[in-house]
Amino acid sequence: DIVMTQSPDSLAVSLGERATINCKSSQSILYSSNNKNYLAWFQQKPGQPPKLLIYWASTRESGVPDRFSGSESGTDFTLTISSLQAEDVAVYYCQQYYSPPYNFGQGTKLEIK
Amino acid sequence: EVQLVESGGGLVQPGGSLRLSCAASGFTFSDHYIDWVRQAPGKGLEWVGRSKNKANGYTTEYAASVKGRFTISRDDSKSTLYLQMNSLKSEDTAVYYCTRWTAGRCDYWGQGTLVTVSS
Repeated sequence: DIVMTQSPDSLAVSLGERATINCKSSQSILYSSNNKNYLAWFQQKPGQPPKLLIYWASTRESGVPDRFSGSESGTDFTLTISSLQAEDVAVYYCQQYYSPPYNFGQGTKLEIK
Repeated sequence: EVQLVESGGGLVQPGGSLRLSCAASGFTFSDHYIDWVRQAPGKGLEWVGRSKNKANGYTTEYAASVKGRFTISRDDSKSTLYLQMNSLKSEDTAVYYCTRWTAGRCDYWGQGTLVTVSS
């Protein structure tokens, strides 16, 4: 099974500052035929289902603000919020969809400092 | 408008059974992979299983934690996905979500249904 490990578990950032969340896969999730990493990022606010932010590691979902971006380097993935807004307080999860079981990371709780 | 609506949750005793439903609307159900994902109270997300689409023979996949106890089926005529859960354990207590996959992304989630396994 592919294990997804996020860091940190929690993060406090000042409004307007950059927030960075990391996710590492235990093995490659790069599909060679299309050169895409099968990695998604989700945002979950209290009492709500998760919402897709990023897929293919770096493609922003339609309607997601451009302050959210995803990047990749080998088996290391990063979600960056360039300028934190109050509405970004949430738990963020990465998920690999390369091979079953399609595991999630443990989540990163983002708060305002 | 795409909608996924889960139902069928409730309180069940350990060892019991329950069937969840995920009613879909606003899209061609048979074209899409549909997953079940669960979230125990105060915990993270856990992938439970998948039903692939008609083009892929409705193949199913399961997490090891539920394999042999849970079964995913679908009725395309009703645009509904089912999760039959048998031999339930306390650790199966969670909110269960169904999710839609489109072109390599999980683009819609239902609101979830709560399953509580307790005596």
